[in-house]
Amino acid sequence: DGGITQSPKYLFRKEGQNVTLSCEQNLNHDAMYWYRQDPGQGLRLIYYSQIVNDFQKGDIAEGYSVSREKKESFPLTVTSAQKNPTAFYLCASSIQGADQAFFGQGTRLTVV
Amino acid sequence: DQQVKQNSPSLSVQEGRISILNCDYTNSMFDYFLWYKKYPAEGPTFLISISSIKDKNEDGRFTVFLNKSAKHLSLHIVPSQPGDSAVYFCAASAYNAGNMLTFGGGTRLMVKP
Repeated sequence: DGGITQSPKYLFRKEGQNVTLSCEQNLNHDAMYWYRQDPGQGLRLIYYSQIVNDFQKGDIAEGYSVSREKKESFPLTVTSAQKNPTAFYLCASSIQGADQAFFGQGTRLTVV
Repeated sequence: DQQVKQNSPSLSVQEGRISILNCDYTNSMFDYFLWYKKYPAEGPTFLISISSIKDKNEDGRFTVFLNKSAKHLSLHIVPSQPGDSAVYFCAASAYNAGNMLTFGGGTRLMVKP
């Protein structure tokens, strides 16, 4: 089945550690996105990539890094520089220039 | 500055009645609007959309209305069902901005049996 897969579903990290969230899609979409959701808040854009080997910062990129070495994959690294990393992270993809994005099931990251 | 706002964080409706979720935007360049539905611990799923050249789009129990002069859109669910209980996000995009989605803060809808 075609879709977008995030793993793991739940992730725990110790303070001061980097952690990488996986996002894979087999929809042949050019564009991929990472959003963060906090309780009572909307989805805020962290990073996006419209083509392989290229990505741009979103509204809240500080403390995060990404790579886009393959069309199918857009991993997000939450670094120790991110001051408040506990949140629900959503990956999405879309056809280039299309309005509708498809979302993964999300990863809940908790810093312990 | 929030370009897309959902001023009601929550809404409670009786089963069978109409649910009306509202969304306001400030960017006049937005030309496409979408509603997403989200259950806890899951990714949002697309519900319905409307282009700025229309003022209404209907899909089954869901209807979206767009008032461009007021920069306001609303989602109507009739009749509401308990399975509709979720968080609803309004989103907007602009063609000249690469169709990037800007989301509102979400409204939690609770449909009581």
